[in-house]
Amino acid sequence: EIVMTQSPATLSVSPGERATLSCRASQSVRSSLAWYQQKPGQAPRLLIHGASTRATGIPDRFSGSGFGTEFTLTISSLQSEDFAVYYCQQYSNWPPLTFGGGTNVEIK
Amino acid sequence: QVQLQESGPRLVKPSQTLSLTCTVSGGSIFNGDFYWSWIRQPPGKGLEWIGHIFYSGNTHYNQSLKSRVTISQDTSKNQFSLRLTSVTAADTAMYYCARAPVTTVRFDPWGQGILVTVSS
Repeated sequence: EIVMTQSPATLSVSPGERATLSCRASQSVRSSLAWYQQKPGQAPRLLIHGASTRATGIPDRFSGSGFGTEFTLTISSLQSEDFAVYYCQQYSNWPPLTFGGGTNVEIK
Repeated sequence: QVQLQESGPRLVKPSQTLSLTCTVSGGSIFNGDFYWSWIRQPPGKGLEWIGHIFYSGNTHYNQSLKSRVTISQDTSKNQFSLRLTSVTAADTAMYYCARAPVTTVRFDPWGQGILVTVSS
């Protein structure tokens, strides 16, 4: 099973600042990585797939990068609606499909 | 666009069977391009993939739950279902259904989720 580890667990950021979230895989997943955003009381929403491809309707302030075992989600200028929990998920080697433990982006 | 909606009992007694249904609208589940998936999230915790079904009826499950899980489909109703047997308090969670392309198995869209509590 591929273990996904996200850091930090909590990220405190001021509105307008850049946020950088990390996701590490226990073995290479190539570019088979997705990012999701989850707001309180809502289902997760797909942001990024293929490590760097934005899903339909996702603003360009969200960008993904990385390959293999190290990945980054960057939010270039945080808006109020971006404060949420973010999860990464690998789909390279399954079953099982696995998620990271999440990063909570909170208002500083 | 495709929409998914979970339904079923929100309270299940320990040792009994949890049964949920996902109703899909805006597209057919009899579609070789997608897996139809179940994912759960215990309160305050992260996401766990449970398993999925393909239009052929083929299934994949998370080994951690495999002995207790069955995912099935009813193409005439455009629904797929989850059965989880011998539940305990550890199975208390928000249960989501979601669609995933077979080529790149990421989840989009998701249902709104249903909170199932296991308690006597």
